[in-house]
Amino acid sequence: EAGVVQSPRYKIIEKKQPVAFWCNPISGHNTLYWYLQNLGQGPELLIRYENEEAVDDSQLPKDRFSAERLKGVDSTLKIQPAELGDSAVYLCASSLGGLSYNEQFFGPGTRLTVL
Amino acid sequence: LAKTTQPISMDSYEGQEVNITCSHNNIATNDYITWYQQFPSQGPRFIIQGYKTKVTNEVASLFIPADRKSSTLSLPRVSLSDTAVYYCLVGDIGNNDMRFGAGTRLTVKP
Repeated sequence: EAGVVQSPRYKIIEKKQPVAFWCNPISGHNTLYWYLQNLGQGPELLIRYENEEAVDDSQLPKDRFSAERLKGVDSTLKIQPAELGDSAVYLCASSLGGLSYNEQFFGPGTRLTVL
Repeated sequence: LAKTTQPISMDSYEGQEVNITCSHNNIATNDYITWYQQFPSQGPRFIIQGYKTKVTNEVASLFIPADRKSSTLSLPRVSLSDTAVYYCLVGDIGNNDMRFGAGTRLTVKP
């Protein structure tokens, strides 16, 4: 069974440029998460989807970050414009939901460097 | 949300048993305890989950005392490949409100 797929794996951009990350969750997983992870810290939740609905986006900086999950499968996270402080690893995860929320399956992440 | 406290780092040697303790004094009745493992350049990986007493799987054991205010992840006979960061999370699996902390960085030495 394929795991969570993310692309690109690495991205280097100049500040003020836009950037987008793509995630394909495990087939059948209704719940999708986007996390941000800074060096030496644990993942921080940005947004959580139940199917196509964003049910927890309280930590998403909405002035520059946006996300979508059309048709409740793939998801895209966008930053526009990027700032130096956005350099981090962006992780996508999925879970079955219900009583399996605690078991999240993570992708390898996208390492973003903003110059 | 239940707050968790773990040691920042731990060292061990190959073949030893490692116990990592997590404190969660304000755990709620519906909260479960979940542990994840993260290797460098990879996303976290689910290890084990429990509610009370003891849970064991092929990777680890999880010990939870009766008051549930702490839990201990036990890794038997660690190897170099167990060097990773281990996260303890507490939350209601029905509400999906778990949050990652800073984790415990385990270093296994030869």
